Amino acid sequence: DAGVTQSPTHLIKTRGQQVTLRCSPKSGHDTVSWYQQALGQGPQFIFQYYEEEERQRGNFPDRFSGHQFPNYSSELNVNALLLGDSALYLCASSSVSPGRASATRTDTQYFGPGTRLTVL
Amino acid sequence: AQTVTQSQPEMSVQEAETVTLSCTYDTSENNYYLFWYKQPPSRQMILVIRQEAYKQQNATENRFSVNFQKAAKSFSLKISDSQLGDTAMYFCAFLFIDSNYQLIWGAGTKLIIKP
Repeated sequence: DAGVTQSPTHLIKTRGQQVTLRCSPKSGHDTVSWYQQALGQGPQFIFQYYEEEERQRGNFPDRFSGHQFPNYSSELNVNALLLGDSALYLCASSSVSPGRASATRTDTQYFGPGTRLTVL
Repeated sequence: AQTVTQSQPEMSVQEAETVTLSCTYDTSENNYYLFWYKQPPSRQMILVIRQEAYKQQNATENRFSVNFQKAAKSFSLKISDSQLGDTAMYFCAFLFIDSNYQLIWGAGTKLIIKP
């Protein structure tokens, strides 16, 4: 049973460029969340995708956008890169279906290995 | 605002000792989950243990257990018989069940297990 996978592992870009990060959720999961983790800090929530729509968004500018595909995989796009976008980007998958009783939901988020983005 | 506070930036103990990491949180919600994740130098965020706020019984996973005090909004992690492989950053986080689907994270505690 494959866990959450992310690609690429590392990425180096220059300011102003655009980047796309990819994530495949754990088998059986339908929800993907993206987090940004700066060095020495806890993760910060970017957004969450469910049923191919952005369901919740954190305090990130519109330069950060995403997409979820019918197979539940997801992409994170960042435009007009800034030096401050350098971070570890974490993808997490879960199975959070609205309307399901709490006892049967699996809200636990399982994480991929992350993509280290360096902006020069 | 919902916040998570981990007051110990770094801790170190000898192998085989028991160590407790502290976590407090602030929320007005009643329906949520609490988690401890570890992040070793490999960067992979790994689930250690999960606690449902509506359950009074403290969660246990092998050498890992929690002390959940809902009224005090405290959620500490105890690691028994610590091993070198336990060396990692440990993050406390919570998640509201019915809304706001994001994990709210603490700043982390760096735990070093010494041989």
